[in-house]
Amino acid sequence: EAGVTQFPSHSVIEKGQTVTLRCDPISGHDNLYWYRRVMGKEIKFLLHFVKESKQDESGMPNNRFLAERTGGTYSTLKVQPAELEDSGVYFCASSRQGVGELFFGEGSRLTVL
Amino acid sequence: GENVEQHPSTLSVQEGDSAVIKCTYSDSASNYFPWYKQELGKRPQLIIDIRSNVGEKKDQRIAVTLNKTAKHFSLHITETQPEDSAVYFCAAMTTDSWGKLQFGAGTQVVVTP
Repeated sequence: EAGVTQFPSHSVIEKGQTVTLRCDPISGHDNLYWYRRVMGKEIKFLLHFVKESKQDESGMPNNRFLAERTGGTYSTLKVQPAELEDSGVYFCASSRQGVGELFFGEGSRLTVL
Repeated sequence: GENVEQHPSTLSVQEGDSAVIKCTYSDSASNYFPWYKQELGKRPQLIIDIRSNVGEKKDQRIAVTLNKTAKHFSLHITETQPEDSAVYFCAAMTTDSWGKLQFGAGTQVVVTP
């Protein structure tokens, strides 16, 4: 069974540019989560999808961040326009319906110059 | 909201010795406490978890203890080996908000031969 995959593994962009991160959850996992770790601090929750619906987006920092999960399969997280403080590692996780274990991807490292 | 503090931030131990990482949480509603291990460049992986109706749980060389009254929980690794070197994250969650983990800042564990 393939794990959670994320693309790109590393992205370097300039302030003001746009970046789109992609997450492919484990097949059959209805729940998909985005987290990020900034500057070696704690990993923080961003949002939670159940299939294609946003269940909880309370952790999204501001309206420069847009997450989508069309068709309830893969998800994208777009940052537009990127700011310096958006630099960090963005993790995606998925879990089965209900209270299943969260499986994390390896993360997408974003560097904003 | 929930706040999780984790100590120490770095821990260096001799191979064969024990390692202890401690976390405290603030929200008395939290009832699920997982621990994740992240090796360099890899994904965070669940290594052990405990629910609030249990005081201790063991799995081979690792164990977790929970004190609900004091709102703290700890990870214990015995007979440490070089492959235990990694960043360890504690987390807390309420099962009503499954997947919305509040992480500690992480502990870098280095096991020296």
